[in-house]
Amino acid sequence: DIQVTQSPSLLSASVGDRLSITCRASQDIGTSLAWYQQLPGKAPKLLIYGASTLQTGVPSRFSGSGAGAEFTLTITSLQPEDFATYYCQQLYNYPRTFGQGTKVEIK
Amino acid sequence: EVQLVESGGGLVKPGGSLRLSCAVSGFTLSRFQMNWVRQAPGKGLEWVSSISSTSTYIYYAASVKGRFTISRDNGKNSLYLQMNSLRVEDSALYYCTSGGTFDFWGQGALVSVSS
Repeated sequence: DIQVTQSPSLLSASVGDRLSITCRASQDIGTSLAWYQQLPGKAPKLLIYGASTLQTGVPSRFSGSGAGAEFTLTITSLQPEDFATYYCQQLYNYPRTFGQGTKVEIK
Repeated sequence: EVQLVESGGGLVKPGGSLRLSCAVSGFTLSRFQMNWVRQAPGKGLEWVSSISSTSTYIYYAASVKGRFTISRDNGKNSLYLQMNSLRVEDSALYYCTSGGTFDFWGQGALVSVSS
């Protein structure tokens, strides 16, 4: 099975900050990676697929990069509604493993 | 508007069974892969199972293989998860999600397994 490791697990930030979350796969997965946002008490929401393609309706302050085994989710100018938990998921093969999540909290 | 609505959750004793349903609207179910993902209280996301558009390809997490069965009825716009031999560790919020990239998610059905 492909292992997916996110870092950091917790990130404290302020409104307006730029932040990055890293996701590492245990093998080369090309660009078969997605990012999701989960607000407290809500279902996850797809942000990015194909490592860098923004889902329709997602603000342009979100971006994804990377290929192979290392990927990054970047949020420029953090907004109050962005404080949430973020997950990556490999879509290369089964089982479709998720990272353990990164909680972005208010500093 | 795309909607996925799960139902069938509840409290069950270890060893018991439950059948989750997911009613979809706003898109043509027959065109898309469907998935179940679960989240234990306070924990992260765990992929459970996926089924291709025509049910040709079915996949399960090792933790549920042999106990859970995913199925779909495209004519009824519905996805199902039959869960047998339930364990305490199966307690979670179960989400129905659509597509190969898990584009849309329901609000979840809560399954609690306890004696």
